[in-house]
Amino acid sequence: AQSVTQLGSHVSVSEGALVLLRCNYSSSVPPYLFWYVQYPNQGLQLLLKYTTGATLVKGINGFEAEFKKSETSFHLTKPSAHMSDAAEYFCAVSEGGGSNYKLTFGKGTLLTVNP
Amino acid sequence: NAGVTQTPKFRVLKTGQSMTLLCAQDMNHEYMYWYRQDPGMGLRLIHYSVGEGTTAKGEVPDGYNVSRLKKQNFLLGLESAAPSQTSVYFCASSYPFGVTYEQYFGPGTRLTVT
Repeated sequence: AQSVTQLGSHVSVSEGALVLLRCNYSSSVPPYLFWYVQYPNQGLQLLLKYTTGATLVKGINGFEAEFKKSETSFHLTKPSAHMSDAAEYFCAVSEGGGSNYKLTFGKGTLLTVNP
Repeated sequence: NAGVTQTPKFRVLKTGQSMTLLCAQDMNHEYMYWYRQDPGMGLRLIHYSVGEGTTAKGEVPDGYNVSRLKKQNFLLGLESAAPSQTSVYFCASSYPFGVTYEQYFGPGTRLTVT
């Protein structure tokens, strides 16, 4: 069964600092990995995804993530935080097609950006 | 395009009352999903549908029923609401996996059961 662990339910950074949100997954097959962002009182929006190919994927708003199979990780980074990045971030995994296309979400990491 | 819309946005129910949440999508997606979001729990799948007339149970289906009579609509029903069903409910839709991989989410329905 697939599962996701997000280390740190709350991360606080200063504006301009590096953002690092950690995600580790468990999957019995090569996974599909996703990061979604949720702004206050809104639904979720896809930030980036890894399906196949290049292990470093770039997403919207300057975020990127690297799939590391040996570490079963898919950490999200951004070189310089902006106030508008304050939101909750969810890592998700899917084992793919057939009946296994369903997403399993982590519990989320709330990012606070301090001026 | 409106994308995924949910009705209502907010609702307060008393224990034992029933209600139906409506999800509509205008993207011609085959797949639709209902999730609930609780603090510190992330999103958990309640029920999902891979096409008109089909539904299946997700991770936390107890106390909920669903119907997909039309491709564009996915209804979530609570027959006898309980305080444990106080949550934010999100609907999502997608193409079949492999066509694209993104699920598109609605804005959510905040339900309180007293």
